[in-house]
Amino acid sequence: RKEVEQDPGPFNVPEGATVAFNCTYSNSASQSFFWYRQDCRKEPKLLMSVYSSGNEDGRFTAQLNRASQYISLLIRDSKLSDSATYLCVVNRSNYQLIWGAGTKLIIKP
Amino acid sequence: NAGVTQTPKFRVLKTGQSMTLLCAQDMNHEYMYWYRQDPGMGLRLIHYSVGEGTTAKGEVPDGYNVSRLKKQNFLLGLESAAPSQTSVYFCASSYSRKLAGTHYEQYFGPGTRLTVT
Repeated sequence: RKEVEQDPGPFNVPEGATVAFNCTYSNSASQSFFWYRQDCRKEPKLLMSVYSSGNEDGRFTAQLNRASQYISLLIRDSKLSDSATYLCVVNRSNYQLIWGAGTKLIIKP
Repeated sequence: NAGVTQTPKFRVLKTGQSMTLLCAQDMNHEYMYWYRQDPGMGLRLIHYSVGEGTTAKGEVPDGYNVSRLKKQNFLLGLESAAPSQTSVYFCASSYSRKLAGTHYEQYFGPGTRLTVT
């Protein structure tokens, strides 16, 4: 079993729709959780950190379920510019992060 | 403020050749990392450094060496390139953590696309 697992997609979604991604992790001791975004042939960039209480940033909402060991990302009112690969990231140790393979999102006009 | 820069952007090597990838950051970050990214796989940590003069192995260190002689630079060396090292290499940096288990945002360079034939 991979340490961090994501549905690879692609998710093909019409503009304006709501889309949700889930990610599961295996290390129950993990304390830091993130969603990064990676555009085609570019470097990853932080989208948002994920906190225990859940957090929202504009159209994006992240949730953490420690008991079930999964993280979710919800994108509301999706835009064409949201098309990208979304990477789920969890810490393995004090210095190491484990990266999911990513979920590809394609927003269609 | 350039952030994190990497050179070169592209390189083609023949099996057995050597090369060094250079990463530079101007954000005064303590921590620096080298990752490789392969299709269908997440970023995998090769080596990392928690300060000038220190380095440590990550998940996939075999075939690579690193050095951090200056705080702002982190070099990744391939002594004898193999086709299995064909990949995209990303360097990243971050602030040092304040609490155990916490991590700060990692800032990435644009990547180096390496092909070994």
